[in-house]
Amino acid sequence: QVQLQESGPGLVKPSETLSLTCTVSGGSISSYYWSWIRQPPGKGLEWIGYIYYSGSTNYNPSLKSRVTISVDTSKNQFSLKLSSVTAADTAVYYCARTVAYYYYMDVWGKGTTVTVSS
Amino acid sequence: SSELTQDPAVSVALGQTVRITCQGDSLRSYYASWYQQKPGQAPVLVIYGKNNRPSGIPDRFSGSSSGNTASLTITGAQAEDEADYYCNSRDSSGNHPFGGGTKLTVL
Repeated sequence: QVQLQESGPGLVKPSETLSLTCTVSGGSISSYYWSWIRQPPGKGLEWIGYIYYSGSTNYNPSLKSRVTISVDTSKNQFSLKLSSVTAADTAVYYCARTVAYYYYMDVWGKGTTVTVSS
Repeated sequence: SSELTQDPAVSVALGQTVRITCQGDSLRSYYASWYQQKPGQAPVLVIYGKNNRPSGIPDRFSGSSSGNTASLTITGAQAEDEADYYCNSRDSSGNHPFGGGTKLTVL
């Protein structure tokens, strides 16, 4: 079955760029949307954005100016970049497969913790 | 508005029925999906669309919608259903917000 695995630095300095990659295994990245979601410590889920396998994107308006999501179909991976990070960006970051039409997230990665600190 | 509102906490006696609600203007036009999250774990999809359960989700979980309110109902709640539950939907601007989450306690 399809599995997702997030990877990237666990510690990022303030004002720098957070970069994460999600590797899709057990299935193709084609024909789906692929989302990033985050969860600050002790708080709820926040949708960051998604990318279609063809490259079209949609971002949370509150993060849009700082977010870039890209896809590499040859590697079955998609990535998140979040610029100018602050302590408020400290969170568990999840990647998820997103099914079109109803836009539900049916397969999730285990999540990776990113801490923003100097 | 793209905001989805959930009660912060709900409790239910073991074996009884509980309804968790999610309110928002966007729900008049779009279905919600529901996610269960246990401590230290990734969320799990439990309901999507009109009332669809992914494979492996028990049939005691069901979904419904009326007006600006989507509901997740657990009929015969079990101890293992104790978790946080989040709704998610889209709005007309293309945003996909989550509700604030409901902590379900099974007594």
